[in-house]
Amino acid sequence: AQSVTQLDSQVPVFEEAPVELRCNYSSSVSVYLFWYVQYPNQGLQLLLKYLSGSTLVESINGFEAEFNKSQTSFHLRKPSVHISDTAEYFCAVSTTSGTYKYIFGTGTRLKVLA
Amino acid sequence: GAVVSQHPSWVICKSGTSVKIECRSLDFQATTMFWYRQFPKQSLMLMATSNEGSKATYEQGVEKDKFLINHASLTLSTLTVTSAHPEDSSFYICSASPRTARGSPLHFGNGTRLTVT
Repeated sequence: AQSVTQLDSQVPVFEEAPVELRCNYSSSVSVYLFWYVQYPNQGLQLLLKYLSGSTLVESINGFEAEFNKSQTSFHLRKPSVHISDTAEYFCAVSTTSGTYKYIFGTGTRLKVLA
Repeated sequence: GAVVSQHPSWVICKSGTSVKIECRSLDFQATTMFWYRQFPKQSLMLMATSNEGSKATYEQGVEKDKFLINHASLTLSTLTVTSAHPEDSSFYICSASPRTARGSPLHFGNGTRLTVT
């Protein structure tokens, strides 16, 4: 079975400060990794994904995440946040084989303060 | 591209009635759709995997007779909450992928907020 752990339920940070949202996963098989963002009363939108290749992946709005196999982590970072980045962020995994499903972490609420 | 439309966006119903939620892939065909339930300030709980033309696969602890899923076409899946009770009040989200490849990210509907009075 797979599981995803997001240790921080809430992360307050001042505008233009850097931020890191942590994600650790557990799986007995290989996985693909994703970060999704959810704005209030909306569905989730893909932020970035890791499938293979370079362990550092980036989104179009300045977020990046690094896959660390030895630490089974996929932390999300941004060097300078904006007010508009305030949202809920979910880390997710999908197995590369076996039952086709996606498992989500409990989410981290990022609140950017002025 | 890859738009998933979910309807209604919110619904209020009386206890004991049934509610149907529709999930449509507007510009792609979805062999598989996923239904999630989200509790306040919590993650998405996978309820079931909806497969076109076959029975849905329910996660452990999800009552299949209460949450009826039908995936009659490659662009439409429905979730019917039967004999709804206040504890069924929640945010329900569907998702799908335009490709069957496992690395394909999911595309989500905007969710349906169900309130049972």
